[in-house]
Amino acid sequence: AQSVAQPEDQVNVAEGNPLTVKCTYSVSGNPYLFWYVQYPNRGLQFLLKYITGDNLVKGSYGFEAEFNKSQTSFHLKKPSALVSDSALYFCAVRFTTSGTYKYIFGTGTRLKVLA
Amino acid sequence: EPEVTQTPSHQVTQMGQEVILRCVPISNHLYFYWYRQILGQKVEFLVSFYNNEISEKSEIFDDQFSVERPDGSNFTLKIRSTKLEDSAMYFCASSGSGLNQETQYFGPGTRLLVL
Repeated sequence: AQSVAQPEDQVNVAEGNPLTVKCTYSVSGNPYLFWYVQYPNRGLQFLLKYITGDNLVKGSYGFEAEFNKSQTSFHLKKPSALVSDSALYFCAVRFTTSGTYKYIFGTGTRLKVLA
Repeated sequence: EPEVTQTPSHQVTQMGQEVILRCVPISNHLYFYWYRQILGQKVEFLVSFYNNEISEKSEIFDDQFSVERPDGSNFTLKIRSTKLEDSAMYFCASSGSGLNQETQYFGPGTRLLVL
């Protein structure tokens, strides 16, 4: 079955330290991969996406993500975390099935950046 | 910057009542989606809509649900007879065509509470 996994419910990191939020997927074909962020009582905001090309993609707010085809992973990273990065992060995958597009989201990882 | 809007922001209804959630997608977008997020849980795909018809729907999207694009700007989700378990945050999203089709932009959500 097609799936997206975010193995960590919560990630805690000190301000100024690098952060990583993990995502792995199990999807047929060549999926498109996304990261979204959700602040309290807000909708999801698009951060970045991978479609093809360079495995390291850069997105909003200094975030980047590394696509690893052999490990079927798309981890979100930031070199230096800010307290304002504290939010809920969702990994998502778009794939083609029976000629239509389908999107599935991971369960989300709560990032807490400590001052 | 154009954005997806949703109304109302909050809705409280009695079990068995019909509700209509409204969305105004980004004006030149062609693909429309509804998702829901039960409190504290993952984002779940409900339905996608293109060219005035449903292109994909999930198991959640049963006969109690329907979508409509009644005019050139609105995209609505109707729940015919609400159940307690329909209480959730409902997000509308839209995406463009061609190279922009894969990135979905989300509205702020409608929080539905069924009593």
